[in-house]
Amino acid sequence: DAKTTQPNSMESNEEEPVHLPCNHSTISGTDYIHWYRQLPSQGPEYVIHGLTSNVNNRMASLAIAEDRKSSTLILHRATLRDAAVYYCILRGSSGAGSYQLTFGKGTKLSVIP
Amino acid sequence: DTEVTQTPKHLVMGMTNKKSLKCEQHMGHRAMYWYKQKAKKPPELMFVYSYEKLSINESVPSRFSPECPNSSLLNLHLHALQPEDSALYLCASSGRMNTEAFFGQGTRLTVV
Repeated sequence: DAKTTQPNSMESNEEEPVHLPCNHSTISGTDYIHWYRQLPSQGPEYVIHGLTSNVNNRMASLAIAEDRKSSTLILHRATLRDAAVYYCILRGSSGAGSYQLTFGKGTKLSVIP
Repeated sequence: DTEVTQTPKHLVMGMTNKKSLKCEQHMGHRAMYWYKQKAKKPPELMFVYSYEKLSINESVPSRFSPECPNSSLLNLHLHALQPEDSALYLCASSGRMNTEAFFGQGTRLTVV
């Protein structure tokens, strides 16, 4: 499996932007970068994903480095409801790897009122 | 309908019991997953079914037996579990690799 490395924890003030980094130096050319988050006492939920270009949706933005060896999840204005563990995951593009969804340790985000 | 439904929400079972966890989705997803999550740890992949066939088994002990009766249903049969198997069991489904996966809220299992 291609692996990801994230900081164990981060803190942010409410209503400020948050940049959550992820390193994936062994990413293959066809791996997709996915982000999920898990709020306390809930199942994980999808946040965003991308391949090469930066992506935006209603929840967040994903900035992907040109060499694809790192990416950053951007929450534009953190709210208390964004306090969660955020996981950066690589998904393959063919065979069994395209369905593999393996979680790393993730980053626990705390939001300070 | 973008839900993955897991039943039961809570389960307490003895070490000699046989029980089953159920998972259902109606999004037409052809991949379904079982995860085990211990407290303060990330979800740990157990099994993946794609097109109703077992495609990934992460060396899970045989006391856990998955079953995919059809494209919408996924079961996890439990037998002779140990107290250390107590955990949150999560089910998920997804389409192709460039689409999102959806997770259920999990079954909280306690083995006594």
